[in-house]
Parts: sequence; structure tokens; C-alpha cells
Amino acid sequence: SAVISQKPSRDICQRGTSLTIQCQVDSQVTMMFWYRQQPGQSLTLIATANQGSEATYESGFVIDKFPISRPNLTFSTLTVSNMSPEDSSIYLCSVGRTPSTDTQYFGPGTRLTVL
Amino acid sequence: GEDVEQSLFLSVREGDSSVINCTYTDSSSTYLYWYKQEPGAGLQLLTYIFSNMDMKQDQRLTVLLNKKDKHLSLRIADTQTGDSAIYFCAESGIGGATNKLIFGTGTLLAVQP
Repeated sequence: SAVISQKPSRDICQRGTSLTIQCQVDSQVTMMFWYRQQPGQSLTLIATANQGSEATYESGFVIDKFPISRPNLTFSTLTVSNMSPEDSSIYLCSVGRTPSTDTQYFGPGTRLTVL
Repeated sequence: GEDVEQSLFLSVREGDSSVINCTYTDSSSTYLYWYKQEPGAGLQLLTYIFSNMDMKQDQRLTVLLNKKDKHLSLRIADTQTGDSAIYFCAESGIGGATNKLIFGTGTLLAVQP
């Protein structure tokens, strides 16, 4: 498994502002992912954070709204830009050990409330 | 399609067995997973099964996979109050896209003392 931490654990933000969420892993990993879990819902993949190149976004998610950085093999950030109340969710990062191993381990999540 | 369905709620008494069911539509999935989410927490990987297996047992957990019916189940023996949580099934390897997980809708397990 992997030890994954996220900062902040929770935040309350004003409409129109941006928040950057950090994800740190205790060892180098190839694959890092960002998910959104809206209130009472399941998890939806936002994007795959690629080290050294642009993130790969899923349908319905765009880079302008959710810019992602992956400067090295242990760290990634997700920014939620120009927030609205509809962005209130839990945002989770996950890691997969190798491309041939589909198993993903999740961080504790960041609970975001937008007023 | 990529739909993974679960029943929303299950209530059991402490000491009984719990069975949480999941149906999926994509037969190309490579692995199927069960995750547990306690209130206010992230997701904890409980167990997983490779798609060419029928059953996997891990202590109190038994996973059954019926590929023909695209049905996955998680049985928890001797259910405890600490097992109360939301349980998500997930499938990966869909359409050859490894590492992409599609999650089910989640089942809330309530264990009555």
C-alpha cells in the first residue's frame, strides 16, 4: 500500500475564489489520479496526473477549471478555479503503483464547501 | 456502457453476515474492487479480485464473482458495528484503459447492536 496525505483536509471558500489541494505520497508512484465525490454520490474521475506532461482529463472536466500539476513522482496538486456552490464536494487523490497494477490507494480527501 | 449498480442500503444485526451486491455492464474489466468509506474519511481498499477468479477469501471477507451474470458480491462474516460504512465496488481495465476505475453507487451498511 501507500501512505497518502492531502492538504487541506477541509476548507470553506467564497464563490469566485480558487483553492489548491495538495497530495503527497510517501514513495514514488507512476500513476496519480484526482477524483470528485459530490454530496451523497459516488466517485468520479477528474483526471490522471502525468509526471512531466499535461494531465489527462475525463469527459466533462477541463484544464481551465481544474488545473493539475505533477512536478515529481511523489506530489501533485489540483486547483479548483472560480468556484461556485456546485463545486462543493470531497476531492480525493489516489495512486496506482505501476501501469500494470490497477489497484488504487486513496488519500483521506479534502472536503470543500463553497458559499 | 460503464454502469456499476449497487443497492443503496443494507441493515444487519451485529454478529450476522452481510452480503453487499454489485452489478456491472462492461465485461472487459480486469479487476474488481471493494472499497470502504467511513463517515468523513477517504476510501480504504478492502479487497480485490482478478476477473478470471470466481472467489476470493480474506479473513472475514469473501468476494464472489459471476462473470456470466456480471455480478460481484462481498460477504462480511460476523458483522461488527465497526463495519458500518459505505461500501463501493469498482471495476478497472475497462476497454483496455488500465488504471481507470469506475465506481458503483455505494451501499450504506448499518450494523445494529
